[in-house]
Amino acid sequence: AQSVTQPDIHITVSEGASLELRCNYSYGATPYLFWYVQSPGQGLQLLLKYFSGDTLVQGIKGFEAEFKRSQSSFNLRKPSVHWSDAAEYFCAVGTSGTYKYIFGTGTRLKVLA
Amino acid sequence: EAQVTQNPRYLITVTGKKLTVTCSQNMNHEYMSWYRQDPGLGLRQIYYSMNVEVTDKGDVPEGYKVSRKEKRNFPLILESPSPNQTSLYFCASTGTSNRGELFFGEGSRLTVL
Repeated sequence: AQSVTQPDIHITVSEGASLELRCNYSYGATPYLFWYVQSPGQGLQLLLKYFSGDTLVQGIKGFEAEFKRSQSSFNLRKPSVHWSDAAEYFCAVGTSGTYKYIFGTGTRLKVLA
Repeated sequence: EAQVTQNPRYLITVTGKKLTVTCSQNMNHEYMSWYRQDPGLGLRQIYYSMNVEVTDKGDVPEGYKVSRKEKRNFPLILESPSPNQTSLYFCASTGTSNRGELFFGEGSRLTVL
């Protein structure tokens, strides 16, 4: 069955520290991969996406993610976290043309000043 | 401004009282979808629509109805709400030129007493 796993429910980091949020997926075909961020009281906003090509993708707000097919992972990283990055982050997979998306359960990030 | 608009943003109702949550997008997107977000469960798809008059069930359609009479609108109908439908609801849309990126509304928090 297709699934997306975000193993960390909560993560706390200090401002200025590096960040890595994990995402593992189980998908039959080559997936399209997404990271979305949800700030409190807001809808979800796309951070970055991977379809093909370079496995390291850059997104908005200084985030990047790396697609590792051998590990079925698409981890999100940021070298230096800002207090405004405190939010909930969702990994999602989809396939072209079907508009079928599966979301992970989310990772809530807390940033300490 | 390109956006997905949901109304109401907040609603408290009672069991059995029919309600409709409206969703409208101004991006001429073909695809629209409804999700519900519950703690620990992430986003789960309720219904989706590939175009006008084309709708299909998602993963958790029970207790919900939708219609797509116009391309821009995709209302979610709860004919007889029950307390287990208390949740945060998101409408999302995308088009063929967006390569899978979903555009989300700000969410509608529904409480059924």
